[in-house]
Amino acid sequence: EAGVAQSPRYKIIEKRQSVAFWCNPISGHATLYWYQQILGQGPKLLIQFQNNGVVDDSQLPKDRFSAERLKGVDSTLKIQPAKLEDSAVYLCASSPGDGSHQPQHFGDGTRLSIL
Amino acid sequence: GQQLNQSPQSMFIQEGEDVSMNCTSSSIFNTWLWYKQDPGEGPVLLIALYKAGELTSNGRLTAQFGITRKDSFLNISASIPSDVGIYFCAGQPDSGNTPLVFGKGTRLSVIA
Repeated sequence: EAGVAQSPRYKIIEKRQSVAFWCNPISGHATLYWYQQILGQGPKLLIQFQNNGVVDDSQLPKDRFSAERLKGVDSTLKIQPAKLEDSAVYLCASSPGDGSHQPQHFGDGTRLSIL
Repeated sequence: GQQLNQSPQSMFIQEGEDVSMNCTSSSIFNTWLWYKQDPGEGPVLLIALYKAGELTSNGRLTAQFGITRKDSFLNISASIPSDVGIYFCAGQPDSGNTPLVFGKGTRLSVIA
C-alpha cells in the first residue's frame, strides 16, 4: 500500500512570498490532516478535511494560510504572504475516516525555510 | 488547548540498555499512540492503544494505556543503534476521526 505522498520535500523562499504544498493521501482515506511542526516540537494541527469538507480549521491562521481538497482526494496548503515564523515542517496525514480504530499515517513532510 | 507532557526530553543510553519514556495529560484521551520520527522524515506509527489498561507489544517495544486514561508509557528493551530518533506520544479525545495532540518528543541517542 502506497503511503502519504507530499511534495516538494524542501522549499526555501523569502518572507512575503507565497508557497504551496501538495499532499496525496493513502488511497481510500476520507480524512486528511495538515500539521505544522516547528523545530523541537511535536506536530500541531492546522486543518482537518473529511472528503472535500473542512471539519476543523480553528488553528489555521486564515489571514495567510489556505487549504483545499476540492475533489476529496489530494489537497494543497498555501501560505501567502509567508512570515519568518512560518519556517517549519508541514506534515500531511490521512486516516480511513470511517470511525474504525485506524490511526493516522504521515507523509515525510515539506521542510519550509523562510529567509 | 489540550497538552501532553512528555518526559524525558532527551536520553543518552548504552546499546543493550532498556529505555522508558512517558506521557501525561490533564485531560482524558480515548486513544494513545506512539510514533517515531527520524531526521527528514515523517512520524511513523509504532504502537496504538485503544483501551484503558491495555498493554501492547511490538517487537522490543511495549506500551501501556494508563487506567486513568491520562497517561501512557513506552518501553524499549535491549536498545540498538537504529532506535536513535525522536519518539512522540499522541493522544486522541475520541477513537478514529479526531486530530492528534502530540507531546514535545523524547530524543533518544544510543551509544554503541
